[in-house]
Amino acid sequence: AQRVTQPEKLLSVFKGAPVELKCNYSYSGSPELFWYVQYSRQRLQLLLRHISRESIKGFTADLNKGETSFHLKKPFAQEEDSAMYYCALRNNAGNMLTFGGGTRLMVKP
Amino acid sequence: KAGVTQTPRYLIKTRGQQVTLSCSPISGHRSVSWYQQTPGQGLQFLFEYFSETQRNKGNFPGRFSGRQFSNSRSEMNVSTLELGDSALYLCASSPRTITDTQYFGPGTRLTVL
Repeated sequence: AQRVTQPEKLLSVFKGAPVELKCNYSYSGSPELFWYVQYSRQRLQLLLRHISRESIKGFTADLNKGETSFHLKKPFAQEEDSAMYYCALRNNAGNMLTFGGGTRLMVKP
Repeated sequence: KAGVTQTPRYLIKTRGQQVTLSCSPISGHRSVSWYQQTPGQGLQFLFEYFSETQRNKGNFPGRFSGRQFSNSRSEMNVSTLELGDSALYLCASSPRTITDTQYFGPGTRLTVL
């Protein structure tokens, strides 16, 4: 069975501080990992996926297969980063996403 | 292109009733997936349809069913509603293959009284 764990339900930081949202997964095969974000009153949207290896809105995430982690990082948080962040895993059996419980990021001025 | 649309946006039903939710994918997208979001269980996969065939199914009882039409629009049906079915139901579409990104709709908020 596959599982995604986001240990922090809430993460509160000050503007300009570094941010790291943790994500750990369990899956026996080669998964594809994603970060989705949901801003207030907006729909869930893709932030980044590990195979793209790109930086979106200053966020990066590296897949660490040894530690089975896919933590989301940003060096300097902005107030507009305040949102709900979900880590998700897709296996190679189809278009099914397994989501973590989500972390609410609050960036204080 | 217009995004994924879901109708209705809000719905109130009573226990024992049945409900049908609708999802219109982005034009050209052939895969439609459904998810249930609740405060207690989070986001859980219900099922995925591709070219009118159910390709994957999550761990939900048989009261939850779905279908996809030839124009890729999809419906999901929940029969004999229970209080625990109250949730936000999200639909997501993707172009074709399993490596494509999924784009989510705004959801249908179902309340069961």
